[in-house]
Amino acid sequence: EDKVVQSPLSLVVHEGDTVTLNCSYEVTNFRSLLWYKQEKKAPTFLFMLTSSGIEKKSGRLSSILDKKELFSILNITATQTGDSAVYLCAAYSGGGADGLTFGKGTHLIIQP
Amino acid sequence: NAGVMQNPRHLVRRRGQEARLRCSPMKGHSHVYWYRQLPEEGLKFMVYLQKENIIDESGMPKERFSAEFPKEGPSILRIQQVVRGDSAAYFCASSPLGSREGIQYFGAGTRLSVL
Repeated sequence: EDKVVQSPLSLVVHEGDTVTLNCSYEVTNFRSLLWYKQEKKAPTFLFMLTSSGIEKKSGRLSSILDKKELFSILNITATQTGDSAVYLCAAYSGGGADGLTFGKGTHLIIQP
Repeated sequence: NAGVMQNPRHLVRRRGQEARLRCSPMKGHSHVYWYRQLPEEGLKFMVYLQKENIIDESGMPKERFSAEFPKEGPSILRIQQVVRGDSAAYFCASSPLGSREGIQYFGAGTRLSVL
């Protein structure tokens, strides 16, 4: 059975800190790994990763994939209170099973 | 360019009633996915539909749950004879034809409460 595990499940830091969120996966016919940010509304797409070792970057957020070790990390530098959210990691396998397999998410709280 | 639209945002039903959840995909998207999120759990895939076709319903409970995506109109997730365990947030996502890497765009969800 496909599985995605995120850690930590929750994290509280102060504004300005740097955080690293982890995601490991076991998925047959793996095609891509996706990160979403979920506040009290729709999960918002952040990154899609398909190749190992290539960092994707958007402002203070960055992410990288290791297909050999089957994990990805999401980094947020100089955190702000607006970064407080649940960060979801999902694996996509395609090949007839087109739903995403999600982890439980990391609940990130940024304190002023 | 409107995103994925779901309605209602909140739905309250008594045990035994029917719940109908609606989803209009993003403009130009022909693939729709439904997910369920239970408290303290991740999003769980339920069903994947294209217009007039169910492609993958491997995550759907075998009884009481059904989904459709008609030629015209929104996709509907229907839950018959709801029970308290059906209380959850139901999210719809869409993707364009030919998406190969799995990027899906989500609606804001419908929060179903069963009394």
